[in-house]
Amino acid sequence: QPVLTQSSSASASLGSSVKLTCTLSSGRTTYIIAWHQQQPGKAPRFLMKLEGTGSYNKGSGVPDRFSGSSSGADRYLTISNLQSEDEADYYCETWDSNTRVFGGGTKVTVL
Amino acid sequence: EVQLVESGGGLVQPGGSLRLSCTASGFTFSTYSMNWVRQAPGKGLEWVSYISSSSNTIDYADSVKGRFTISRDNAKNSLYLQMNSLRAEDTAVYYCARDGYGDYLLDYWGQGTLVTVSS
Repeated sequence: QPVLTQSSSASASLGSSVKLTCTLSSGRTTYIIAWHQQQPGKAPRFLMKLEGTGSYNKGSGVPDRFSGSSSGADRYLTISNLQSEDEADYYCETWDSNTRVFGGGTKVTVL
Repeated sequence: EVQLVESGGGLVQPGGSLRLSCTASGFTFSTYSMNWVRQAPGKGLEWVSYISSSSNTIDYADSVKGRFTISRDNAKNSLYLQMNSLRAEDTAVYYCARDGYGDYLLDYWGQGTLVTVSS
């Protein structure tokens, strides 16, 4: 089963950018992942699907300042022009057979 | 608009049972596979169970295998999770979530229902 590794926290100033990383376990560098956002006290929200090529497809209503990219086993989520409502937990997700695997989540703080 | 609405959560004693429901709308429920995902207080997301669109394929996390049963009724646009032999560590918010069409990544989530296992 694949393992997804995320940093536990990240912070950046209002209006700046932050880049989050989700690292796939070895041998799974081609896996497609999804990024989800969970604002405090709310349900998770799908942000995008991200391929190993760096191609991504965003969910309905996801602002343009959210983008994805990839390099080897790493999958990135970049939030540009950081807003206060972007303060949230961000989870990456992939699958193996019928099971789903989540990273531990990154808590983003907007300074 | 896709909507997933969970119900059935509550307080239950250790060893007890509970049945969660998820009612779907805004899409053709019968063509999508579905999942249950839970989140313990202050913790991350944990996948619980999967069911294919026709119920032909079902899978469970090891932590709930043999105790939980997932099912669906496509005529009622509903997903279920029967939870038996509940333990304190099953305390969590339970979300139903849809798989994207043609892949196995979650693309819509419900608002969640809280299950508390305590005496």
